[in-house]
Amino acid sequence: QKEVEQDPGPLSVPEGAIVSLNCTYSNSAFQYFMWYRQYSRKGPELLMYTYSSGNKEDGRFTAQVDKSSKYISLFIRDSQPSDSATYLCAMSASDYKLSFGAGTTVTVRA
Amino acid sequence: SQTIHQWPATLVQPVGSPLSLECTVEGTSNPNLYWYRQAAGRGLQLLFYSVGIGQISSEVPQNLSASRPQDRQFILSSKKLLLSDSGFYLCATEGLAGGGLAKNIQYFGAGTRLSVL
Repeated sequence: QKEVEQDPGPLSVPEGAIVSLNCTYSNSAFQYFMWYRQYSRKGPELLMYTYSSGNKEDGRFTAQVDKSSKYISLFIRDSQPSDSATYLCAMSASDYKLSFGAGTTVTVRA
Repeated sequence: SQTIHQWPATLVQPVGSPLSLECTVEGTSNPNLYWYRQAAGRGLQLLFYSVGIGQISSEVPQNLSASRPQDRQFILSSKKLLLSDSGFYLCATEGLAGGGLAKNIQYFGAGTRLSVL
């Protein structure tokens, strides 16, 4: 079993729809949870960062962490074609090591 | 905020040739530095990390090596490339998040796409 599981998709939605992405994990020591956005042939860009459980909102993006279920989510409201990218979840305990999901490819159709 | 420079952006090398990829960081001092490889459709695999000049830790046995000759310079090398070394190589460092230095928040460079033929 992988330490972090992420549905690779691909996910295709019409413009304006809500995009829902999620990851599950097995390591209960994880405390830091991140979502990265990666455009084709570019480096990952930090999108959201959450420490421990709870919700965090930034504009059209909402990150949720449920440590009891070992489940994290990212929601994109009013999706735009510019949101078309691969989204990677990442998490870590108290050390330097990040564990990544495989990434979900999202296409927002105009 | 910190800036990560990686070059070259794209590289095509024959099997058996040497490799040198460079990463430099601006806007921070004594950073932790990381080299990752991303295979197509897969997550990121940590290859090396460094907490200071001359200090390198390897995460996986492989055909690659890393060096840190200066505080903000990180180099990935190989003496003889293999076909399996093809991939997208990313340099990363830690940076500010939420108003303070967060040790677990990593920021990435633009990457080098390596094709070994």
